[in-house]
Amino acid sequence: DTEVTQTPKHLVMGMTNKKSLKCEQHMGHRAMYWYKQKAKKPPELMFVYSYEKLSINESVPSRFSPECPNSSLLNLHLHALQPEDSALYLCASSQGADSRYEQYFGPGTRLTVT
Amino acid sequence: GENVGLHLPTLSVQEGDNSIINCAYSNSASDYFIWYKQESGKGPQFIIDIRSNMDKRQGQRVTVLLNKTVKHLSLQIAATQPGDSAVYFCAGSLDRGATNKLIFGTGTLLAVQP
Repeated sequence: DTEVTQTPKHLVMGMTNKKSLKCEQHMGHRAMYWYKQKAKKPPELMFVYSYEKLSINESVPSRFSPECPNSSLLNLHLHALQPEDSALYLCASSQGADSRYEQYFGPGTRLTVT
Repeated sequence: GENVGLHLPTLSVQEGDNSIINCAYSNSASDYFIWYKQESGKGPQFIIDIRSNMDKRQGQRVTVLLNKTVKHLSLQIAATQPGDSAVYFCAGSLDRGATNKLIFGTGTLLAVQP
């Protein structure tokens, strides 16, 4: 199984809502990532978890809150988002968090904030 | 700075021709480079990678060339097919302590004409 799955595929939420994005992998990978991708732009790193600990936070606003409950799961909790947060949110995983390992990406969650 | 960019935003080729997608990077500290393919509605898919101790690496129908002197990376696709139509991103790794961060280039849209 070389798949990273993400749910939901699409999400529409208001600025006062609280929602969560979910990501799962069963490849035994110990590093997991959240990226944000705006239309026609490259992915931008948000967070990196290594061995279930947050190792990189790219100065992401606190309205985005990551969580890694175990080595297979990664969540992104959303609260009080702004319309400019509308984007494709990509999850990725790799065997380890250093540069020896390829990152596998999920299909993404298309988020629209109204 | 941490910047990986592409020369051509759009490349149109005839089916059966060879394609060359170029990428420039600015950070000499990057020691690992990856090419990703992203089809519409999907997450990035790994194509091929190369480490800085190499100048060429071949896969099935794809070749990556690395010129560290001029900080240039290219992806060559032989006998381009309609299924190759996608956005192609180069990415360079940057180690942040024990954690690797990928910096993506701006992307090139490859359009294959039948």
